[in-house]
Amino acid sequence: AQSVTQLDSQVPVFEEAPVELRCNYSSSVSVYLFWYVQYPNQGLQLLLKYLSGSTLVKGINGFEAEFNKSQTSFHLRKPSVHISDTAEYFCAVSDVVGSNDYKLSFGAGTTVTVRA
Amino acid sequence: NAGVMQNPRHLVRRRGQEARLRCSPMKGHSHVYWYRQLPEEGLKFMVYLQKENIIDESGMPKERFSAEFPKEGPSILRIQQVVRGDSAAYFCASSPAVRGDTQYFGPGTRLTVL
Repeated sequence: AQSVTQLDSQVPVFEEAPVELRCNYSSSVSVYLFWYVQYPNQGLQLLLKYLSGSTLVKGINGFEAEFNKSQTSFHLRKPSVHISDTAEYFCAVSDVVGSNDYKLSFGAGTTVTVRA
Repeated sequence: NAGVMQNPRHLVRRRGQEARLRCSPMKGHSHVYWYRQLPEEGLKFMVYLQKENIIDESGMPKERFSAEFPKEGPSILRIQQVVRGDSAAYFCASSPAVRGDTQYFGPGTRLTVL
């Protein structure tokens, strides 16, 4: 079974500063990788995803993530955050091999709080 | 195009009662997934359904939990005889016909069992 570890449960950051959210997964097979964001009282919204190809993936709202196969990581970054980026962020993984690619495994989430 | 709708958003039940959670997928989506998030944990897959079919229920507890996605109407996650350990956020997601595509999530139903 997949396991996904988000190394930081809480990340406070000042406005216009950079932020990095770390995500590591355990899998011996090829994977699809996702980052979702959840704003208060809303559903999870897809920020970006890696399916294949370039290991640097750009998403919405200025976010990007880099897939590192040797380190089994998929860290999320933004060079300059806004107050509106305050939210909870989830990393998710699914196996490519077999027919279970719909089954997402999620990390526990990282709460980002942006302060002025 | 409206997003995935879930209702109710908050549900309070006493131990032993039944809980019914509803999910309306995005228009044109025929694949529905249910996930559960226990406190301080990530979302965990429960079940995958297509219209009138349960495709994968490997994440569902063996007893008291059931799910359906009828030909007409929303998908329903039903929990019978709820216990305190069922208190969690339950999220529904949907995707278009192509399997493995992006899943679009609803806002979740927060179930509290007293």
